Amino acid sequence: IQLTQSPSSLSASVGDRVTIACRASQGISSYLAWYQQKPGKAPKLLIYAASTLQSGVPSRFSGSGSGTDFTLTISSLQSEDFATYYCQQLNFYPLTFGGGTKVEVK
Amino acid sequence: EVRLVESGGGLVQPGGSLRLSCAASGFTFSDHYMDWVRQAPGKGLEWVGRSGNKAESYTTEYAASVKGRFIISRDDSKNSLYLQMNSLKTEDTAVYYCARGGLVAATFSGDYWGQGTLVTVSS
Repeated sequence: IQLTQSPSSLSASVGDRVTIACRASQGISSYLAWYQQKPGKAPKLLIYAASTLQSGVPSRFSGSGSGTDFTLTISSLQSEDFATYYCQQLNFYPLTFGGGTKVEVK
Repeated sequence: EVRLVESGGGLVQPGGSLRLSCAASGFTFSDHYMDWVRQAPGKGLEWVGRSGNKAESYTTEYAASVKGRFIISRDDSKNSLYLQMNSLKTEDTAVYYCARGGLVAATFSGDYWGQGTLVTVSS
């Protein structure tokens, strides 16, 4: 299963609403997770099962979608949110990650 | 507190072998799927493979790029996960992360991650 994230990068300001898309090459039900990664650090789980917020993750993060089209939304971007975001499908082996979306300061 | 600590990385020649270890603590290790994920320098995340939990009879799955060369195993008595890497190629150069999966298969690769260990394959 191929996961295509768009855009591959974006520039945004603190307070902006940010939306990242992830499209699967075939239907994966709701078996999708989102991760945030900062330089030199391990990834951090944000959302699983497409829309379930991981414990401790701020509520400004939300996920939606099912089948082939998914979205990660940051409702009001904070300074600590500048990072790279990855989606991952868990419906079929081998598991796969999207190519990543880098959120940069505008 | 959940902790995952990888070890065993280093420099190895092409065609060589290396064994990574991941020491887990702070949770019931046998209940969880455990994954290996890698990241080549400046690149994105790549899932390497996983070990199922005790309930799933420790079934293993692999990425196509490592199948037949890498072997994942675990020792629940030692709360440890292993990655035996054989026939290493230069394209296997990456930081390797150990990650705790869910209690069932299709949830996530990692709600907790280790700090990563660097494997460099070069002559």
